[in-house]
Amino acid sequence: DAGVIQSPRHEVTEMGQEVTLRCKPISGHDYLFWYRQTMMRGLELLIYFNNNVPIDDSGMPEDRFSAKMPNASFSTLKIQPSEPRDSAVYFCASSRTSGRTGELFFGEGSRLTVL
Amino acid sequence: AQSVAQPEDQVNVAEGNPLTVKCTYSVSGNPYLFWYVQYPNRGLQFLLKYITGDNLVKGSYGFEAEFNKSQTSFHLKKPSALVSDSALYFCAVRLTGNQFYFGTGTSLTVIP
Repeated sequence: DAGVIQSPRHEVTEMGQEVTLRCKPISGHDYLFWYRQTMMRGLELLIYFNNNVPIDDSGMPEDRFSAKMPNASFSTLKIQPSEPRDSAVYFCASSRTSGRTGELFFGEGSRLTVL
Repeated sequence: AQSVAQPEDQVNVAEGNPLTVKCTYSVSGNPYLFWYVQYPNRGLQFLLKYITGDNLVKGSYGFEAEFNKSQTSFHLKKPSALVSDSALYFCAVRLTGNQFYFGTGTSLTVIP
């Protein structure tokens, strides 16, 4: 199994530009999570999907952030326009429904730097 | 509120000594508890989980964790620390809505 695949691994952009982060979950997993990690705030859950449907997006910081999951094998997290305070490592993770017993599998993350 | 807490930001231990990374939880109902490890510039990796049954759970890389219901704790342990165990460790709980709530992390340094 290839694991959760994220791209790009690194992104450097200028303030005001659009950023799109991509994620391919593990095949057969029906939950997909987007997290953001910073030194100041640790790991924050941004949004999660179940069977491609957004379940809870209360962690999305503001309207500049949006996430989609058009099918079971692909999700995007978009920031438009980006700001320096969005600089962080963004993780995608997936899980299979097993009551609540299944663990999360993380991708390697996308490190975003907004200048 | 349901959550986990990691009271120590940093733990230092000498190579070969036993290590403990602490986690306490506050969960209504049955707790589903997890430990993850994060190496520099990598994603989080699953170490072990407690769902039910034996209070001592064994996981990857020689780690184990002890579930203590009376103390609402789920401490991560290893009998003999390796330098390569130096990393960031996260305790997590899976909530009723299938969300995962992570602790703030504990940085473990194993000193040669």
